[in-house]
Amino acid sequence: QVQLQESGPGLVKPSETLSLICTVSGGSISSYHWTWIRQPPGKGLEWIGYIYYSGSTNYNPSLKSRVTISVDTSKNQFSLKLSSVTAADTAVYYCARYKNYSYGLDVWGQGTTVTVSS
Amino acid sequence: QSVLTQPPSASGTPGQRVTISCSGSSSNIGSNTVNWYQQLPGTAPKLLISSNNQRPSGVPDRFSGSKSGTSASLAISGLQSEDEADYYCAAWDDSLNVGVFGGGTKLTVL
Repeated sequence: QVQLQESGPGLVKPSETLSLICTVSGGSISSYHWTWIRQPPGKGLEWIGYIYYSGSTNYNPSLKSRVTISVDTSKNQFSLKLSSVTAADTAVYYCARYKNYSYGLDVWGQGTTVTVSS
Repeated sequence: QSVLTQPPSASGTPGQRVTISCSGSSSNIGSNTVNWYQQLPGTAPKLLISSNNQRPSGVPDRFSGSKSGTSASLAISGLQSEDEADYYCAAWDDSLNVGVFGGGTKLTVL
């Protein structure tokens, strides 16, 4: 059974870069889209972007200038970098996967809380 | 402001049937399928309905989804206390070229 686990610093200073890793266990990173989604405190879900196992990416236009998603197939990991963070980037960050978007995001990580504060 | 529109809250008593609506546009629900997610307090979202009306393995048949035009609905029959959660609709948006979500509906079981 495939499991996802997010990891990274829980506290990031304003203007710095947020970096998170999602480790895929129990299955291969191949043949899926690997996504990052976030949820600010008390608010709804926001799509950040995805990377296909082959390396092609898609980013939310509202974040595109600050986001980089990459994949390391040898480690079965993919990562998120969000630059120039502000308090508005404080959220629970989830990684998730889908094969075909019609079939939905069928496996999610438990989420990791990132707070932007000095 | 979410791209997909959901009522912020819904409620029902045990055993009752409740529905949650999700309204979009021609670039998202109107041209793509809708997925629904259930988020229990303090946990990650869980896929509840995919492709408008398909239940993943393990999801009780009390949950059903439908879509018509640019709107979709989630129905929960035989409401149970453990159904108390936030529910989100989602679809791909061809204009924005991103996945979009509704703002979420908090379901309270009275």
